[in-house]
Amino acid sequence: TQLLEQSPQFLSIQEGENLTVYCNSSSVFSSLQWYRQEPGEGPVLLVTVVTGGEVKKLKRLTFQFGDARKDSSLHITAAQTGDTGLYLCAGYNTDKLIFGTGTRLQVFP
Amino acid sequence: DAMVIQNPRYQVTQFGKPVTLSCSQTLNHNVMYWYQQKSSQAPKLLFHYYDKDFNNEADTPDNFQSRRPNTSFCFLDIRSPGLGDAAMYLCATSIYRGQETQYFGPGTRLLVL
Repeated sequence: TQLLEQSPQFLSIQEGENLTVYCNSSSVFSSLQWYRQEPGEGPVLLVTVVTGGEVKKLKRLTFQFGDARKDSSLHITAAQTGDTGLYLCAGYNTDKLIFGTGTRLQVFP
Repeated sequence: DAMVIQNPRYQVTQFGKPVTLSCSQTLNHNVMYWYQQKSSQAPKLLFHYYDKDFNNEADTPDNFQSRRPNTSFCFLDIRSPGLGDAAMYLCATSIYRGQETQYFGPGTRLLVL
């Protein structure tokens, strides 16, 4: 069974701080996705990384896919209160989307 | 805007009383999924339809059933809800099965009394 472990599980920071969330697996994934889920809403896709070593930027968010395609990271620069939510990485195991264990981020003003 | 709609957003039911959750989509996607998400956990796939073909996950309890009467609608039926079934239920769609982007609805939060 392919597992995606995220760390940290919880993160509480103040506005303006930087943070990194990690997503690790012992298995190789052909691609990994990152979602953000706000309280009471469904997950929203942020990015898909497909090439080992790939780096994608989405405003203040930087996503990296490991060279071996077993891990990924999400870095947020100068966090804002609007970044608060549950961050989920996910990868496909054949036809099934497997979600990571999740990182709950709380950004305080 | 094309989207995935779930009704109701909040549902309260009694222990053992059947409940049906609804999902509709205007994306005309072939695949519709149902996930269960318990508090602060990752979504867990219950089953999916590829067109009319129903695909159940091996560990989905028999208490959970699904119907897809047409392309646009998909229902989740919980025949005898237990306290452990209280969760957020997410519907998602994708054009095809496989490594396609899934589009999620806002979810229905189910409370079992």
